[in-house]
Amino acid sequence: EDQVTQSPEALRLQEGESSSLNCSYTVSGLRGLFWYRQDPGKGPEFLFTLYSAGEEKEKERLKATLTKKESFLHITAPKPEDSATYLCAVQAGGGSNYKLTFGKGTLLTVNP
Amino acid sequence: KAGVTQTPRYLIKTRGQQVTLSCSPISGHRSVSWYQQTPGQGLQFLFEYFSETQRNKGNFPGRFSGRQFSNSRSEMNVSTLELGDSALYLCASSQGRMNTEAFFGQGTRLTVV
Repeated sequence: EDQVTQSPEALRLQEGESSSLNCSYTVSGLRGLFWYRQDPGKGPEFLFTLYSAGEEKEKERLKATLTKKESFLHITAPKPEDSATYLCAVQAGGGSNYKLTFGKGTLLTVNP
Repeated sequence: KAGVTQTPRYLIKTRGQQVTLSCSPISGHRSVSWYQQTPGQGLQFLFEYFSETQRNKGNFPGRFSGRQFSNSRSEMNVSTLELGDSALYLCASSQGRMNTEAFFGQGTRLTVV
């Protein structure tokens, strides 16, 4: 069974204090790894898709990287508006099941 | 370009009742998936529809069902509601089945009392 574990569960940063969120996964062949951001009371907002080990993608202060066992979401010089829950999900390769398996998320709080 | 629209946003139902939730995907998207989100379990896959056919189903009881119409709009139904069905129900749409970029709606917050 596909599994996704995110750490830490919660992270508090000061504005400008860079850090990384971790997503460890076990999947029978990875088709894609996805990062989403979710604000309270809203649906997840798509950030990145990574497909193969060594791939990196960037968007503003966020950078996602992928290895064969985990993915990192690096946040550089965060601002209070980056506060949200960050979700990681995997899609297994092979077969016809395209469901996303999600981790429980990391709640990020950035204090001014 | 309009996003994924889910209605209603909030619902309060009594145990034993049934409920129908609606999802209108992004124009041109043909795949719709449903997820249940709770504080304890996180986001869990319910089912996926493509071309009016259910393609996959998660580990939920038969009380949870859905359908997709020819215009790709989808509905999910929960019968004989239980307290544990209280959750945020999210719909995600994508162009095809690969879900390389799945876009979520705001969700329907269901409370069962």
